[in-house]
Amino acid sequence: QLQLQESGPGLVKPSETLSLTCTVSGGSISSSNSHWGWNRQAPGKGLEWIGSIYYTGSTYYNSSLTSRVAISVDTSKNQFSLSLSSMTAADTAVYFCARYITGSIADSWGQGILVTVSS
Amino acid sequence: QSALTQPPSASGSPGQSVTISCTGTSSDIGAYNYVSWYQQHPGKAPKLMIYEVTKRPSGVPDRFSGSKSGNTASLTVSGLQAEDEADYHCSSFSGSSNPVVFGGGTKLTVL
Repeated sequence: QLQLQESGPGLVKPSETLSLTCTVSGGSISSSNSHWGWNRQAPGKGLEWIGSIYYTGSTYYNSSLTSRVAISVDTSKNQFSLSLSSMTAADTAVYFCARYITGSIADSWGQGILVTVSS
Repeated sequence: QSALTQPPSASGSPGQSVTISCTGTSSDIGAYNYVSWYQQHPGKAPKLMIYEVTKRPSGVPDRFSGSKSGNTASLTVSGLQAEDEADYHCSSFSGSSNPVVFGGGTKLTVL
């Protein structure tokens, strides 16, 4: 049973950079049929895709966040990470990591981590 | 503002059927058969319910079904049960430049 778990700070100051890690267990992050992605959900709002990475390091980012986002993968630790710079209150959200298969299908999700941007 | 448009709410009585729509464009829903639907209970992670427009992952009841016509996809929940009360989100593949787009979500209430 594939499991994903997000970790990182729950509080970030404005203008700082958010760093989150997703640890994958019960399967290999190097699986050829999987991409690994980050999504977020602002309070009371819908889901927003942030970006995805393949185990080789190929990345795909939401065009609205490209200038601030970076996703990396560490196959030795079975983890992938999100970096989002210049955080503002508008970035306050629950951040979910997920496995993506074939296009845009997210079949496994982490439980999510609430990140609040406040001084 | 979400790329895909969903009604904010839907409702039905136990045993009834309800359909939730998801409207996109000829660049996403209309172009690809990669529409997915997710169920999300409060405080929980989304759960994949439908993928590739009509397919159900193992373990998802056949009361849940999906369809697509043109730029609009739909999720139908038949034989509504109390546990179906949740938020439902649609998503679609949208090409290589911005692969994943979501709708704003629909809150389904079982009366």
